[in-house]
Amino acid sequence: QKEVEQDPGPLSVPEGAIVSLNCTYSNSAFQYFMWYRQYSRKGPELLMYTYSSGNKEDGRFTAQVDKSSKYISLFIRDSQPSDSATYLCAMYISSGSARQLTFGSGTQLTVLP
Amino acid sequence: DGGITQSPKYLFRKEGQNVTLSCEQNLNHDAMYWYRQDPGQGLRLIYYSQIVNDFQKGDIAEGYSVSREKKESFPLTVTSAQKNPTAFYLCASSPGTSGSSYNEQFFGPGTRLTVL
Repeated sequence: QKEVEQDPGPLSVPEGAIVSLNCTYSNSAFQYFMWYRQYSRKGPELLMYTYSSGNKEDGRFTAQVDKSSKYISLFIRDSQPSDSATYLCAMYISSGSARQLTFGSGTQLTVLP
Repeated sequence: DGGITQSPKYLFRKEGQNVTLSCEQNLNHDAMYWYRQDPGQGLRLIYYSQIVNDFQKGDIAEGYSVSREKKESFPLTVTSAQKNPTAFYLCASSPGTSGSSYNEQFFGPGTRLTVL
């Protein structure tokens, strides 16, 4: 079993829809949770990060962490064609050597105009 | 402009050849990382370095080698021992690894390696 599971999709939605992207994880020691966006043939860029449980909002994006269920989500409101990309969840434990990130496999999202 | 550069963008290699992928950063970051990305598998850590002249193996280091002679440079060599090297390679850096504060990793644009 992978430490981080993410539905690979692909996911297609119409413009303006609310998108929900999700990851589950098995290691309860994870403390920092991130969402990266990766356009085709480009490097990932950080969208949001959260520490511990709760919600964090940034514009059209909301990141949610439920540590009791080991479940994280990214919601995109009023989705735009420019949101079409692969979304990667990542997480790490703050103590230890290099605070290595553990990534999900990514969800490919297409927002149709 | 501050950032991470990787070269070349595309690289073709014949079987049995070693190739070296370049990664340079001008962010003054202490830590640097190499990842491999295959379709449907996310990013897997190959090697990482926390300081100059020191590096550690990640989850899939076999068939790869690195060096960290300068803070800003972390080249990756894909050797002929790597059985399936065709992939997208990503370099990243982060400010440091000490303490317990949040530590974002910044990624380069990637190098796509194809073995012919």
